[in-house]
Amino acid sequence: KNQVEQSPQSLIILEGKNCTLQCNYTVSPFSNLRWYKQDTGRGPVSLTIMTFSENTKSNGRYTATLDADTKQSSLHITASQLSDSASYICVVTGQTGANNLFFGTGTRLTVIP
Amino acid sequence: NAGVTQTPKFRILKIGQSMTLQCTQDMNHNYMYWYRQDPGMGLKLIYYSVGAGITDKGEVPNGYNVSRSTTEDFPLRLELAAPSQTSVYFCASSYSSWTENGYTFGSGTRLTVV
Repeated sequence: KNQVEQSPQSLIILEGKNCTLQCNYTVSPFSNLRWYKQDTGRGPVSLTIMTFSENTKSNGRYTATLDADTKQSSLHITASQLSDSASYICVVTGQTGANNLFFGTGTRLTVIP
Repeated sequence: NAGVTQTPKFRILKIGQSMTLQCTQDMNHNYMYWYRQDPGMGLKLIYYSVGAGITDKGEVPNGYNVSRSTTEDFPLRLELAAPSQTSVYFCASSYSSWTENGYTFGSGTRLTVV
C-alpha cells in the first residue's frame, strides 16, 4: 500500500535552534518528493522538490535530503525563526499522473521565543 | 497575480443543504484539483481536471460533483451535505502533472455541516 508517514507529529523548539523532520514512504514507483509548508489557515506552499537522483536540496534555511534506497527523506531547518511555525507536509508522487500524489499527515512545528 | 482564489473562506451548512465551493486561477494552468483535509489526516484528492471539459474522480469523490467549463474555473458542488463532509477544502492548480514549482494551493474553505 502506498503510504507516507511523518514524524514527529508535533515539535516545539526555541527560536534560533535547529530541527529535523522525518518522512518515510512506501510509494512505488517513485517519481519525486516534495516538502510543503502550510501556515495556519492557509494552503500548502512548496519548499523543495527532489527526484530519484537527488540527495540534497536547499532552499534558504531549509535543507531536504532523500535516500531513495531506504525511502526516507528529512527536512532540516537551521536557525529557526518564529515564522517557521507551521505544518510541514511531505508529498510523494508515484507514477506520473494527476491522481498519484500521496500526502503525509504533517509535522506541526511551533517555534517559541 | 492572484494565484488560486477560493470562496467562501468559511461556511456552515445544515444536513441536506447544497452549495458550491468556487475556485478560480489566473495562471493559465491546465490542471486543477480539489482536496479535502481532515484533522490529523493527509490531503485526499476528491476530483481533478486536466483541462477544460475534462474531469475525473480522485480518491474520495462520493457526495461531490465538479465541472470545468473554462480553464480558469473549477467549482466543487455538494448536493446533499452530510456531517462526514465537514472538512477544510483546498483547490490547487498546476501547469502539468509534473512541475518543478509543485502545485499552487488556494487558502482553503472551512466547511461545517451540522
